[in-house]
Amino acid sequence: EAQVTQNPRYLITVTGKKLTVTCSQNMNHEYMSWYRQDPGLGLRQIYYSMNVEVTDKGDVPEGYKVSRKEKRNFPLILESPSPNQTSLYFCASSLGVGELFFGEGSRLTVL
Amino acid sequence: GENVEQHPSTLSVQEGDSAVIKCTYSDSASNYFPWYKQELGKRPQLIIDIRSNVGEKKDQRIAVTLNKTAKHFSLHITETQPEDSAVYFCAANKGGSGNTGKLIFGQGTTLQVKP
Repeated sequence: EAQVTQNPRYLITVTGKKLTVTCSQNMNHEYMSWYRQDPGLGLRQIYYSMNVEVTDKGDVPEGYKVSRKEKRNFPLILESPSPNQTSLYFCASSLGVGELFFGEGSRLTVL
Repeated sequence: GENVEQHPSTLSVQEGDSAVIKCTYSDSASNYFPWYKQELGKRPQLIIDIRSNVGEKKDQRIAVTLNKTAKHFSLHITETQPEDSAVYFCAANKGGSGNTGKLIFGQGTTLQVKP
């Protein structure tokens, strides 16, 4: 089954404790991206990747890092989480300019 | 930078009525305009998309129209049903030589269909 899988789905952590949200897709898509969703602000892009070893900042990259060592994986790293990073995070992938397939979302709370 | 504005932010209609959601975009090089539906607690999913070489596309009760000159596009839902209740997002791609699939989303419209 074609899918985008992200983990964990739910996480409560404390300020400053590094965490990684993993994302994996099995559709051989070149393009992958991370979004955060906050009430009234829609989906804002954090980082995106056009292919292996090619990443670029989205609209709200501050406080986040990503890597793309393999085509299927695109982890999101919060080196020192802060409460303003409490949000719902979505990973997504697509084959170039076309349908974006989203993961199920990861709800993160930073205390 | 590129921007997509979406209106209204909330929309309430009676079952069977039509609903229209409008978006404007700023990047004149954009050439791909999808619409996503997000049900409560679920991920966004594509419901319809349109490319700049056509002005209208229809899929059963859903249609999208595009006016490239005015840089706006709209989602039309006819004969609304309670299961159409959801948040709807429009998006436009970043066009030109940097066109690699990057999508810019509108702020979302919460549609409520009352039985």
